Amino acid sequence: DSGVTQTPKHLITATGQRVTLRCSPRSGDLSVYWYQQSLDQGLQFLIQYYNGEERAKGNILERFSAQQFPDLHSELNLSSLELGDSALYFCASSVGQVANNEQFFGPGTRLTVL
Amino acid sequence: TQLLEQSPQFLSIQEGENLTVYCNSSSVFSSLQWYRQEPGEGPVLLVTVVTGGEVKKLKRLTFQFGDARKDSSLHITAAQPGDTGLYLCAGTDRGSTLGRLYFGRGTQLTVWP
Repeated sequence: DSGVTQTPKHLITATGQRVTLRCSPRSGDLSVYWYQQSLDQGLQFLIQYYNGEERAKGNILERFSAQQFPDLHSELNLSSLELGDSALYFCASSVGQVANNEQFFGPGTRLTVL
Repeated sequence: TQLLEQSPQFLSIQEGENLTVYCNSSSVFSSLQWYRQEPGEGPVLLVTVVTGGEVKKLKRLTFQFGDARKDSSLHITAAQPGDTGLYLCAGTDRGSTLGRLYFGRGTQLTVWP
């Protein structure tokens, strides 16, 4: 158990819909990262927050948005869902925001878009 | 985009055999990390290598970072069924202070008893 929690574990929805994925970081960690893992693209960085502020952005679609709240939990919002958005979405957390801080990954949310 | 290529993509061996998996890039990385991921779970960090030429050992696992910090290898001695999993390498941007990781596609290792 990494100490990072993600809900829900599974999500099945239809194209065009909107979903929210939730992440609670390890106690004491200020950075939250979101990654998408699909069979054709592998594990790809989406976005990083540190203490409530966006710090780095990766290959995140405009239909996707995220935020980190004052209690440090984070939400990833996916809208106008397409079949290709089906993937595993991981949240990770670390103490700081720098490159060599160990990132602890949650168990992931498996999103299926039908 | 920083690309990390891992090889082989799949590896199926018998218990007791040795194996090496590779992680290569044309880019220089500030550091390289190796993760293992099991089905239904998130990746778990095994090691971080920072210095070119660095070698780190974790029981039967030996990790090496290339002198130019563009490549890395993971060697497992006397593999066991418990070593089965997806091995991922991930790099951090040279010169970046942020935590963004670039992942390779992984090597799926299966060790048969």
